[in-house]
Amino acid sequence: NAGVTQTPKFRVLKTGQSMTLLCAQDMNHEYMYWYRQDPGMGLRLIHYSVGEGTTAKGEVPDGYNVSRLKKQNFLLGLESAAPSQTSVYFCASSYFRQGVLYSYEQYFGPGTRLTVT
Amino acid sequence: KNEVEQSPQNLTAQEGEFITINCSYSVGISALHWLQQHPGGGIVSLFMLSSGKKKHGRLIATINIQEKHSSLHITASHPRDSAVYICAVRSGTYKYIFGTGTRLKVLA
Repeated sequence: NAGVTQTPKFRVLKTGQSMTLLCAQDMNHEYMYWYRQDPGMGLRLIHYSVGEGTTAKGEVPDGYNVSRLKKQNFLLGLESAAPSQTSVYFCASSYFRQGVLYSYEQYFGPGTRLTVT
Repeated sequence: KNEVEQSPQNLTAQEGEFITINCSYSVGISALHWLQQHPGGGIVSLFMLSSGKKKHGRLIATINIQEKHSSLHITASHPRDSAVYICAVRSGTYKYIFGTGTRLKVLA
C-alpha cells in the first residue's frame, strides 16, 4: 500500500496563478483533511471531508476550495494564489468506526512545498 | 494563549540521555496524539492516548486528563531520534489542534 500520496511535491507559482494539489489514499479511509504548516505555528486545518461528495471548512479556508468526487482522492485548489499561501501543505486521512478510538489515527502524506512569488 | 502548548521548543541532548517533552492543553479532548516529523518533512503518528500510558520501544507517552497534561519520554536517545515532535489533541469528531512542536537534536 502506498498510504497517502501527494502531488506535486514542490511548486512555485506567481501571484494570481491557479493550481490544484492532489491527495490520494489507498486505505479506504472515510475522512480526509488538508492542513497547512507555517514556521512557528502548528498545523492548521484548511478543509476536511467526512466522505465522498462532502466537504467542510476548517480553521483557515479562505482562498482555497476542495473537492472529493472519489473516496480515495481529495483535491485542494488555489484559484488565485497569493504570497500568504506560501506554505507546506499536508494531506491526511483517517477512518471512522463508532466507539473505536484508534480509528481516528491520522495518516499523513509527505507534504507539498508551495512558494508563491 | 495557544490551546496546545509544548515545552521545550528546542532541545539538544547527548546520545543515551533520557528525554522528556511536555504538552499542556486547555480544551476538553477525546484523545491526544504524539506525532514525529522527520527532517525530510514527513509526519508519522507515534501514539494516540485517551488515558494512562503507552510504550513502544524506547518511547513512552503518558497523559493526565485531570491536569490536562501529557509527556513523551525517549529512553536511551539516539541521533536517529532527531526530529520535531508534535502534540495534537482531538477536541471534536473532526477538530484537531496542533502544538507548534519540539525540535529535538540528539548528538552522537
